[in-house]
Parts: sequence; C-alpha cells; structure tokens
Amino acid sequence: AQSVTQPDIHITVSEGASLELRCNYSYGATPYLFWYVQSPGQGLQLLLKYFSGDTLVQGIKGFEAEFKRSQSSFNLRKPSVHWSDATEYFCAVGASGTYKYIFGTGTRLKVLA
Amino acid sequence: DAMVIQNPRYQVTQFGKPVTLSCSQTLNHNVMYWYQQKSSQAPKLLFHYYDKDFNNEADTPDNFQSRRPNTSFCFLDIRSPGLGDAAMYLCATSRGGLADEQFFGPGTRLTVL
Repeated sequence: AQSVTQPDIHITVSEGASLELRCNYSYGATPYLFWYVQSPGQGLQLLLKYFSGDTLVQGIKGFEAEFKRSQSSFNLRKPSVHWSDATEYFCAVGASGTYKYIFGTGTRLKVLA
Repeated sequence: DAMVIQNPRYQVTQFGKPVTLSCSQTLNHNVMYWYQQKSSQAPKLLFHYYDKDFNNEADTPDNFQSRRPNTSFCFLDIRSPGLGDAAMYLCATSRGGLADEQFFGPGTRLTVL
C-alpha cells in the first residue's frame, strides 16, 4: 500500500542555520510528490512539487527538494532558515491512478532566535 | 485573484444541531475536495467531487454529506455534529490531472458546544 512517512514530528533549528525535513514514500511507480506549508489556522500552500525531470526542484520562499528514487525520499531543504519559517510542513504523494493525495503526518518546525 | 474561498472562517454550533460549511472557487477546477483536520494531524480526506461525480471515502461517517450544485460551489453538511467533529475543515480544488496540485482554501474552524 502507498504511504508517506515524515519521521520527524518536531524539528528545532537556529535562525540562519540550514534545514532539512525528511519525507519517505512507498510507491510502485514514479510518484507525484508535493510539499505544502501550513501557517497556524490557515489552509495549505504549495511549496514545490515533483513529477518528472530534474530531481532537484526549486520552490517558493527559498525552499528546494531533491527526489532520490534509490532512497524513496523527497527531502525538503533550505540553506538559511528565517524565523517566519516556523510552522508546519506536510509532504504528500499523489495516490496511484487517482487525483487524491496521501499526506504525511507533518513536521512542526521551531526556529530559535 | 483566482482562489478558493471558505465561509464562514469560524463556525460555532451546538451538539446535534445541523451545520453547513461553504466553499467556492474561481479557478474553474474540475475537482473539489473536503478534508477534516484535527489539531496537529494531517488533513483527512472526507470526499471529493469530480465534476458532478461524488466520491466518498470508505471511512467517512454517514453524518457527513456534501453537495455540489455547480462548478463553483461545494457544501459540507454535518447532520448531527458531535464533540468529535470539532476540527478545521479544508476545501481544496484541482484540475483533476494526476500531477496537478491541489489549491486549498483558508479553512473553517468548527467548534461544537
């Protein structure tokens, strides 16, 4: 069965430090992968997506993610974190043959001043 | 700007009193989704419409119903809200392709007294 795992429920980094949020998926074919960000009390906003081509994907707000088929991973990265990045991040995979998502459980990012 | 709009943003109802949440879109997308999201959890898909075709998730309680009278509008009806139905309800849309992203509204926070 398809699944998405975000191993880290909480991550804390210092402002200006680099960030990597992990996402692992279980999928038989080439997946459609998405990262969303959710500000408190708000809906989800797409940061970036991957479905083919270059495995390093650039997104909004200075984020990037790299698709690694051999590791079944799609980790989100940012070179230098800002205090405004402190919120929750969700990884999702497009469910096979449908237009539905399977979401990970989310990672909450805390940024220290 | 084209967008997904949800009304109201906050809804308070009494235990057992029916409530209707509204979603509208100006994106002219084929698919509209309703998600339930409880605190610190991933969004959980309740059902979705592809055009007029309704698709219910297997574990969505009968207490939840939906209507899509036209392309632009979709409603979530909770016939007899229980305390466990207190959550954020998110509406999303997509064009309906396998790699297409979902666009989310800001959500309606439902409180059940």
